Amino acid sequence: EAGVTQFPSHSVIEKGQTVTLRCDPISGHDNLYWYRRVMGKEIKFLLHFVKESKQDESGMPNNRFLAERTGGTYSTLKVQPAELEDSGVYFCASSPSRGRRETQYFGPGTRLLVL
Amino acid sequence: SQKIEQNSEALNIQEGKTATLTCNYTNYSPAYLQWYRQDPGRGPVFLLLIRENEKEKRKERLKVTFDTTLKQSLFHITASQPADSATYLCALELTGGGNKLTFGTGTQLKVEL
Repeated sequence: EAGVTQFPSHSVIEKGQTVTLRCDPISGHDNLYWYRRVMGKEIKFLLHFVKESKQDESGMPNNRFLAERTGGTYSTLKVQPAELEDSGVYFCASSPSRGRRETQYFGPGTRLLVL
Repeated sequence: SQKIEQNSEALNIQEGKTATLTCNYTNYSPAYLQWYRQDPGRGPVFLLLIRENEKEKRKERLKVTFDTTLKQSLFHITASQPADSATYLCALELTGGGNKLTFGTGTQLKVEL
């Protein structure tokens, strides 16, 4: 079974540009989460999808961040326009919905550097 | 304020010894506490979960304890091996917080020959 995949693995952009990160969850997983780790800080929750619906987006830092999950499969996280403080590692995680709580499986992350 | 604290300094131990990592939290009410392992360039990998009403959980060489009065979890790796070298993260799943995880900053463990 393939794990959670993320693309790209690295991205270097200039301040003011737009970047789109993609996450492909494990097939059949209804739950999809985005997290990020900025330099020297802990991993922080951004948002949670259940299928194509946003269940919780309380961690989204501001309206420059837009997450979508059309069709309930893969998800994208767009940052527009990017700022220096957006640099960090963005992780995606997924878990199934089986009527009980399930472990989250994390992808390798996308390392974003905004110059 | 709410915070989760893990050993800020790296932990170096000798192969074969037991590694003990600490996770302390304040002003949280976790329903579950989880431990993850993270290797450089990779995402966190789930190791163990313990519920608020459980005191201890074991899995092979791993043991987790959870004291909700002290607001502390201890993570033990017995008979440690160099392959256990990694960063270990503690994460809380809060009561009424859905499934989102709140992470500590992690402790880097190095097991030396």
